[in-house]
Amino acid sequence: SAVISQKPSRDICQRGTSLTIQCQVDSQVTMMFWYRQQPGQSLTLIATANQGSEATYESGFVIDKFPISRPNLTFSTLTVSNMSPEDSSIYLCSVVGFLSSGANVLTFGAGSRLTVL
Amino acid sequence: AQSVTQPDIHITVSEGASLELRCNYSYGATPYLFWYVQSPGQGLQLLLKYFSGDTLVQGIKGFEAEFKRSQSSFNLRKPSVHWSDAAEYFCAVAPNDYKLSFGAGTTVTVRA
Repeated sequence: SAVISQKPSRDICQRGTSLTIQCQVDSQVTMMFWYRQQPGQSLTLIATANQGSEATYESGFVIDKFPISRPNLTFSTLTVSNMSPEDSSIYLCSVVGFLSSGANVLTFGAGSRLTVL
Repeated sequence: AQSVTQPDIHITVSEGASLELRCNYSYGATPYLFWYVQSPGQGLQLLLKYFSGDTLVQGIKGFEAEFKRSQSSFNLRKPSVHWSDAAEYFCAVAPNDYKLSFGAGTTVTVRA
């Protein structure tokens, strides 16, 4: 099965700073997504990372706060900008549509746990 | 809009006992339905999914779920729970394979 690597796995950040999370997949995929899981809550879709174009954001999420890049079929980044304590969450990368196998199961990375002080 | 309700926030079961986790959804058409499990410090793992066909779906780790359209439910079951099943379980609904809306999750504790 595919391996999804997220970096960092966890970090403690200062208020007002920005942090970029990387998501690397070991095979090419058609679609990549970013989810947020706030403490004690469920997962919420932030955006769809589109290769070579601007990400598609869900209601309540904007590009200035969560800029996303996807330069190719195996890699994406999510930046959490100007962080506040309310941004303390687990951020998860997920992918679907494995080109090599044809498998179409939404698969998640282990997540990046951010704590903002 | 699609939504998912998991009525039970926390369930405690004895090892070897049966387990049932409830999930109700709201969706205008026939949805894709999923159950994921999240173990501490791990990512989410797909247990099973339903789109069409047989309403009783078999998944990994001995889990099964039954889709009941009349009740808008997709409950997850396991006949005999193992200590390693302690985790958080999420039900999700989607119009396709990827734009999932998740429920709030049910935490399962397994006692010896």
